[in-house]
Amino acid sequence: DAKTTQPNSMESNEEEPVHLPCNHSTISGTDYIHWYRQLPSQGPEYVIHGLTSNVNNRMASLAIAEDRKSSTLILHRATLRDAAVYYCILRPVNNDMRFGAGTRLTVKP
Amino acid sequence: KAGVTQTPRYLIKTRGQQVTLSCSPISGHRSVSWYQQTPGQGLQFLFEYFSETQRNKGNFPGRFSGRQFSNSRSEMNVSTLELGDSALYLCASRGVSGANVLTFGAGSRLTVL
Repeated sequence: DAKTTQPNSMESNEEEPVHLPCNHSTISGTDYIHWYRQLPSQGPEYVIHGLTSNVNNRMASLAIAEDRKSSTLILHRATLRDAAVYYCILRPVNNDMRFGAGTRLTVKP
Repeated sequence: KAGVTQTPRYLIKTRGQQVTLSCSPISGHRSVSWYQQTPGQGLQFLFEYFSETQRNKGNFPGRFSGRQFSNSRSEMNVSTLELGDSALYLCASRGVSGANVLTFGAGSRLTVL
């Protein structure tokens, strides 16, 4: 049911930027793009979301392609605590949110 | 502001039994969603309740059911437990305004023997 495609895993070095890609070619005009992450032994937590424009918050930045068929979550300086599974999800008008497999991010010291 | 509270955190049941899990959402949140997480299938959507009504439903058998009370607390029930029901059951609540994001609880880990 997931409408997004993400790489299964990615690796990063500590204190380097990380770009996590997500493809959502069937996105509709009213779907919001949400990102969540799940740290080991915890429930998922909200990271960021956007509709059309790029967004920044204290955790990350979200870059949305002009045609909205893809987006990229940017962690500006990865830390060991950022090691998690990152989920890119579309939120439709009816709020029916389905998670895909996500991207497992490994951060190397 | 208290977060989403799920009880119990851990439980062990045997095949054929039934189980009830509870979720207390963030105060003021009227939407509660349930997810099942297993190593093989990942996070699977079970159902969402809003103001005591089931609004969305995932692709699970009828053994999985839920309800929501007038105070927005929610319960999910699994009857006739199977070994494959062993999983982490996550509850998430959502407000009706603002960013409309999900806030998850820590989950209830069910083991079926």
